[in-house]
Amino acid sequence: AQTVTQSQPEMSVQEAETVTLSCTYDTSESDYYLFWYKQPPSRQMILVIRQEAYKQQNATENRFSVNFQKAAKSFSLKISDSQLGDAAMYFCAYTRNYGGATNKLIFGTGTLLAVQP
Amino acid sequence: DAMVIQNPRYQVTQFGKPVTLSCSQTLNHNVMYWYQQKSSQAPKLLFHYYDKDFNNEADTPDNFQSRRPNTSFCFLDIRSPGLGDAAMYLCATSKGQGAYNEQFFGPGTRLTVL
Repeated sequence: AQTVTQSQPEMSVQEAETVTLSCTYDTSESDYYLFWYKQPPSRQMILVIRQEAYKQQNATENRFSVNFQKAAKSFSLKISDSQLGDAAMYFCAYTRNYGGATNKLIFGTGTLLAVQP
Repeated sequence: DAMVIQNPRYQVTQFGKPVTLSCSQTLNHNVMYWYQQKSSQAPKLLFHYYDKDFNNEADTPDNFQSRRPNTSFCFLDIRSPGLGDAAMYLCATSKGQGAYNEQFFGPGTRLTVL
């Protein structure tokens, strides 16, 4: 069974600094996708960044980038120039192709990020 | 704006009293999901609909059921809530079934069982 592990329940960063959130996963599949979702307090979860396993290049979305280490099954999120609005719970998630069936997200337990002014 | 809406945002029910949570979407997506998120735990998929086809996760308790009367609406029914069912319930949608499809989430309904 696939699992996703986030070993940092809480993190803190100073405004304008850089922070890295860790995620590891376990799968025997070769075709899969990894995601980072952001859940601000009392607001809906939104997709931050997505990585396809077949792509060697790390995904980047503005201030957000990932370090995807396929052999190590590691998928960390780097937030550069942190802003107060980045404060949220961050979930790492995994899915794979189910051969025509609906994809299912498997989530980690989340990392609560605080941004200090 | 196209979105996923959940009502109510907060629901209080009594032990054993049936409760229904509502989800609607303006995205016209084919797939709708229900996740259960307990405190300090990962969201866990309960079931999903692909169009009208219902797919239950193997470990979802029989106490939980769902209805999707049309493309826009999906309901989560808890027949006899127990204290252990207190959680945040998240509704999500995706356009298609494939793994590359982004899931769009609603704000959740926090259920309290007294």
